[in-house]
Amino acid sequence: AQSVTQLDSHVSVSEGTPVLLRCNYSSSYSPSLFWYVQHPNKGLQLLLKYTSAATLVKGINGFEAEFKKSETSFHLTKPSAHMSDAAEYFCVVSGYGGATNKLIFGTGTLLAVQP
Amino acid sequence: EAQVTQNPRYLITVTGKKLTVTCSQNMNHEYMSWYRQDPGLGLRQIYYSMNVEVTDKGDVPEGYKVSRKEKRNFPLILESPSPNQTSLYFCASSSRQTGTDTQYFGPGTRLTVL
Repeated sequence: AQSVTQLDSHVSVSEGTPVLLRCNYSSSYSPSLFWYVQHPNKGLQLLLKYTSAATLVKGINGFEAEFKKSETSFHLTKPSAHMSDAAEYFCVVSGYGGATNKLIFGTGTLLAVQP
Repeated sequence: EAQVTQNPRYLITVTGKKLTVTCSQNMNHEYMSWYRQDPGLGLRQIYYSMNVEVTDKGDVPEGYKVSRKEKRNFPLILESPSPNQTSLYFCASSSRQTGTDTQYFGPGTRLTVL
């Protein structure tokens, strides 16, 4: 069965410093992996998606994630944080039970950006 | 504009009073789904629909019903709401063409059951 573990429930960085949000996955299948972002009182927005084409995936707003099969990780990074990056981030795996439409969400990482 | 809409956005109700949360998408997507979001638990799938008249249970279906009579609409029905259904609800849609796992989410409905 698929699952994702977000290793930090809260991360705080200073504006202009790098961001690292950690995610480990477990999957019996070749997974599709995603990062979604949720700004306060907003819906979820897709940041990026990995589908085995390339291990380094670039997303919107300068974010990227690297798929590492040997470490079963899919960490999200950004070189320089902006105040507008403050939000909750979800790591997601699909392919649960072989069904690509079933998404399994991590518990979320709340990113705070200090001025 | 391509979007998923939900109504109402906020709802306070009492135990046992039937309610419906509507969801509509204008992207001609085959697949639609409902999730609930609770603190510390992420999002969990309630029900999903692969196409018109085709629905199936997700991970937490108890206490909920859905229907898919038209492609664009996928209402969530709580026949007898209880306080443990107080949550933030999201509707999502996707298409086979772009990948059913790339889902577009509505803005959410915050439900409080007293």
